[in-house]
Amino acid sequence: EAGVAQSPRYKIIEKRQSVAFWCNPISGHATLYWYQQILGQGPKLLIQFQNNGVVDDSQLPKDRFSAERLKGVDSTLKIQPAKLEDSAVYLCASSRDFSYEQYFGPGTRLTVT
Amino acid sequence: GQQLNQSPQSMFIQEGEDVSMNCTSSSIFNTWLWYKQDPGEGPVLLIALYKAGELTSNGRLTAQFGITRKDSFLNISASIPSDVGIYFCAGHPNSGGSNYKLTFGKGTLLTVNP
Repeated sequence: EAGVAQSPRYKIIEKRQSVAFWCNPISGHATLYWYQQILGQGPKLLIQFQNNGVVDDSQLPKDRFSAERLKGVDSTLKIQPAKLEDSAVYLCASSRDFSYEQYFGPGTRLTVT
Repeated sequence: GQQLNQSPQSMFIQEGEDVSMNCTSSSIFNTWLWYKQDPGEGPVLLIALYKAGELTSNGRLTAQFGITRKDSFLNISASIPSDVGIYFCAGHPNSGGSNYKLTFGKGTLLTVNP
C-alpha cells in the first residue's frame, strides 16, 4: 500500500510571496489532515477534512492560509502572502474513517527569507 | 487547551541499553499513540493504545496506557543506532463527535552512541 505522498519536499520563498503544497493520502482514507511543525515542536493541526468537508480549521490562520480537498482525495494547502514565521515543515496525514491512527507523509520543508 | 508533557526532552544512551520515556496530561485521554520521526521525514506510527492498563509491544518497543488515563509510557529494549530520532506521544480524549484531532507532545530526542 502506497503511503501519503507530498510535494514539493523543499521550498524556499521570499516573504510576501505565495506557495502551495500538495498531498495525496493513502488510498481509501477518508480523513486528511494538514499540520505545521516548527523546529523543536510536535505537529500542530491546521485543518482536518472528512472526505471533501472541513471538520476542524480552528487553528488555520485564515487571513493567509487556505486549503481545499475538492474531490475528496488529494488536497492543496496555500499560503499567501508568506511571513517569516511560516518557516516550518508542513505535514500531511490521513486516516481511515473513525480511526485515530494517522499516517504521515514525508513533509514539505518551507523556508521563508 | 489540552497539553501533553513528554520527558525527558532528550536522552543520550549507549547501544544495547534500555530506554524509558513518558508522556503525561492534566486531563484524561482515552487513546494514546506513539510516533517516531527521523530527520527530514514525517512521523511514523509505532504503537496505538485504547484501553487503560493496556500493554502493547512492537518488536523491541513496548508501550503502556496508564491506569489513571493521564499518562503513557514507551520502553525500548536493547537499543540500536537506528533507534535514533524524536519520539512523540499523541492522544485524544475520545469524547465523541467526528473530530479525531490528536494532541501531540513536544517529543523526546533519543541519541544512541554505537
